[in-house]
Amino acid sequence: GQQLNQSPQSMFIQEGEDVSMNCTSSSIFNTWLWYKQDPGEGPVLLIALYKAGELTSNGRLTAQFGITRKDSFLNISASIPSDVGIYFCAGQGRSGTYKYIFGTGTRLKVLA
Amino acid sequence: GAVVSQHPSWVICKSGTSVKIECRSLDFQATTMFWYRQFPKQSLMLMATSNEGSKATYEQGVEKDKFLINHASLTLSTLTVTSAHPEDSSFYICSARVAGEPRRKFFGPGTRLTVL
Repeated sequence: GQQLNQSPQSMFIQEGEDVSMNCTSSSIFNTWLWYKQDPGEGPVLLIALYKAGELTSNGRLTAQFGITRKDSFLNISASIPSDVGIYFCAGQGRSGTYKYIFGTGTRLKVLA
Repeated sequence: GAVVSQHPSWVICKSGTSVKIECRSLDFQATTMFWYRQFPKQSLMLMATSNEGSKATYEQGVEKDKFLINHASLTLSTLTVTSAHPEDSSFYICSARVAGEPRRKFFGPGTRLTVL
């Protein structure tokens, strides 16, 4: 099935550092979403973006919907140990189907 | 936010048996539910979309006769893995779209299936 390309694949960072990850697609999406998944659990929505160019924050998280509608990025500022997990982007294309295509995931490990 | 539950949370079965996984929206009505499969260290792959009262729409490469989906009510969808084999071992996750609110979609906690 189709997937979005997400980078980096994984990263180790020191507590307190900022983190940036992005997601790119060859197709245009109308909605971009960012999820976090802890081991053995379902994904939890972090941020949803609905308009090209939109920049939205949720606490220490900031995400942007790319102008071309083919990419999005997520920043985490001042990382803490509980930020550990896998971050997935997801895109929704044609309206009416409500289907999400998920990115390949970024595995984040925070060193205290 | 709205709550989606899955039952069971994990199941181990013998090869050749069938396993049913339930997905329930606990405090909202869900006109559409989605079933995903996630293999270890991989992303979520959409298997099928089910609308209440109608047949599910399967993604390319997903066998509809092997993965039976029933969405009989606005709060319950079931996925039955028929004649399960070890390669069907995976993490199955459902999500539910809030009726009348297309932007609101919530994921369940997942069901870990292990086929021996």
